[in-house]
Amino acid sequence: GQQVMQIPQYQHVQEGEDFTTYCNSSTTLSNIQWYKQRPGGHPVFLIQLVKSGEVKKQKRLTFQFGEAKKNSSLHITATQTTDVGTYFCAAPRGSQGNLIFGKGTKLSVKP
Amino acid sequence: NAGVTQTPKFQVLKTGQSMTLQCAQDMNHEYMSWYRQDPGMGLRLIHYSVGAGITDQGEVPNGYNVSRSTTEDFPLRLLSAAPSQTSVYFCASSYSMLMSSYEQYFGPGTRLTVT
Repeated sequence: GQQVMQIPQYQHVQEGEDFTTYCNSSTTLSNIQWYKQRPGGHPVFLIQLVKSGEVKKQKRLTFQFGEAKKNSSLHITATQTTDVGTYFCAAPRGSQGNLIFGKGTKLSVKP
Repeated sequence: NAGVTQTPKFQVLKTGQSMTLQCAQDMNHEYMSWYRQDPGMGLRLIHYSVGAGITDQGEVPNGYNVSRSTTEDFPLRLLSAAPSQTSVYFCASSYSMLMSSYEQYFGPGTRLTVT
């Protein structure tokens, strides 16, 4: 079945270092969404990418959608302790419209 | 707006017991869904609804029932709890049935332990 692979599963960084998580699909995606879940919290929507090659920025966060619309990345510049949490990508499941979530990348930041 | 609310926040059940997890949203969203989250497994879709009176199965529906009698409410019923259903359950809602085009709003979650 359709899968969305997300790597790495865990990332430990020193505060100030950069962080990147990658999301890959075997099929072409109509769009991709990114969510953040703080420890003990619930997923919160960050952004949606729709266009091939799209790049969007939110302060220190940069989101990219691949030219072939099969992969995406989230890059955080100069991580802070407030960035701690799990980042999920999510993509439409075929024609149903439901989202399929990647397994997430858990980011820890050492002060 | 309260957004998406879930009750209870925590629950401990014994094997074989039944219970209902409540979910409500006040945003007049058409689409509602239930996910379970297990360590290393991400979020897996249990059931979803595209509007009042319409429900369908997701990836992992076995052992769960849902109904959608109103736009606001989408309860999840565990028929006979099993230890494998120990998990964190999230309810989510979205504006449209074309929910992949709209952000999902998640409730705070219910942490369920089955002993």
